[in-house]
Amino acid sequence: GQNIDQPTEMTATEGAIVQINCTYQTSGFNGLFWYQQHAGEAPTFLSYNVLDGLEEKGRFSSFLSRSKGYSYLLLKELQMKDSASYLCAVRKGGSYIPTFGRGTSLIVHP
Amino acid sequence: DADVTQTPRNRITKTGKRIMLECSQTKGHDRMYWYRQDPGLGLRLIYYSFDVKDINKGEISDGYSVSRQAQAKFSLSLESAIPNQTALYFCATSDSRQADGYTFGSGTRLTVV
Repeated sequence: GQNIDQPTEMTATEGAIVQINCTYQTSGFNGLFWYQQHAGEAPTFLSYNVLDGLEEKGRFSSFLSRSKGYSYLLLKELQMKDSASYLCAVRKGGSYIPTFGRGTSLIVHP
Repeated sequence: DADVTQTPRNRITKTGKRIMLECSQTKGHDRMYWYRQDPGLGLRLIYYSFDVKDINKGEISDGYSVSRQAQAKFSLSLESAIPNQTALYFCATSDSRQADGYTFGSGTRLTVV
């Protein structure tokens, strides 16, 4: 099976930087995804990491260390609209189906 | 039009009733999925299909069935609904690599009373 851990909730201030961590234990590894989900809405894809390192996309970046079973999502210049749940999903080796973590609820306050 | 359309958006049904949730997509993807989401439990996979003739059970398939009527259509049925099937249901599609992740529908909020 897979174990995926994320903090349940985080708070941050508008304009600041926040890092949301995801740790996982899996047999083999075949990719890690981050999604954003606003309350009552569908998740939307943010990033996909399969190799170690940092992937940057505008204000959002995602980092992966396969040897440590660790990823983080970095959000810069936080805006109120970034208040949402952030879901980490991991695909184990040989599988085409990712398993989702329980998500981190991020609250951005003025 | 949305890339992935789910109907209905909301549904209240009685225990024991049969209900079908429908999903259609215009992405041209071969792969389609059904998930349910419960507070505190995250997204859990019910069924998935990699092409029209392929159906696979996910981690929580008991009490559900699916039909892949065409490449673009994938429906989920609850044969005899029970209250603990009250949840938010999402359909999703992807290509084979999933490098662009899933595209999700807007969800169906189902309440079984």
